[in-house]
Amino acid sequence: DTEVTQTPKHLVMGMTNKKSLKCEQHMGHRAMYWYKQKAKKPPELMFVYSYEKLSINESVPSRFSPECPNSSLLNLHLHALQPEDSALYLCASSLSPGRSTDTQYFGPGTRLTVL
Amino acid sequence: GNSVTQMEGPVTLSEEAFLTINCTYTATGYPSLFWYVQYPGEGLQLLLKATKADDKGSNKGFEATYRKETTSFHLEKGSVQVSDSAVYFCASTDTGRRALTFGSGTRLQVQP
Repeated sequence: DTEVTQTPKHLVMGMTNKKSLKCEQHMGHRAMYWYKQKAKKPPELMFVYSYEKLSINESVPSRFSPECPNSSLLNLHLHALQPEDSALYLCASSLSPGRSTDTQYFGPGTRLTVL
Repeated sequence: GNSVTQMEGPVTLSEEAFLTINCTYTATGYPSLFWYVQYPGEGLQLLLKATKADDKGSNKGFEATYRKETTSFHLEKGSVQVSDSAVYFCASTDTGRRALTFGSGTRLQVQP
């Protein structure tokens, strides 16, 4: 099973709302990732978690707050977002944080619209 | 850091035509190379990968060979189908960041 699940599938929020995106995998992967994808663009890395610890933050604004409560779960907490944050948010996981040969498996994404 | 360059799309082909999507990379060290496919409204699916020079990745009739001398990883398929219509991303990982660097993506449209 190579499945990464993400909820919700779609999310519409106002600029003053607080919401969270959820990502789950049960493959025993120890690296988890958040990417942001704008329309007709490639995914852009936001955060990397290695063994449940934040290892890479690509200078993402603080209105995005990641959390990794355990090895299977990854959250992205959203607060005071801007309309330009509207995008597809993709979660991914890979087996070992230390190996660049490992495949990253992607979830279906959450399509976020900020009004 | 790494970078990946893909041919601009869209690429429009008739069913059963031969497909090539060019991909070149720049990297320090020895990156692993990947092709991912994204169907409309979906996430990315791994299509194939190669982890060292001269490796050939293959899946569902698609192939790509890791060419270190030309720093390329071109995607090919001998006979495309309408169901292959999607966006194809070439990507590399670098040994330092251990994160994917994507090319800009190439949209493929296959007409019956």
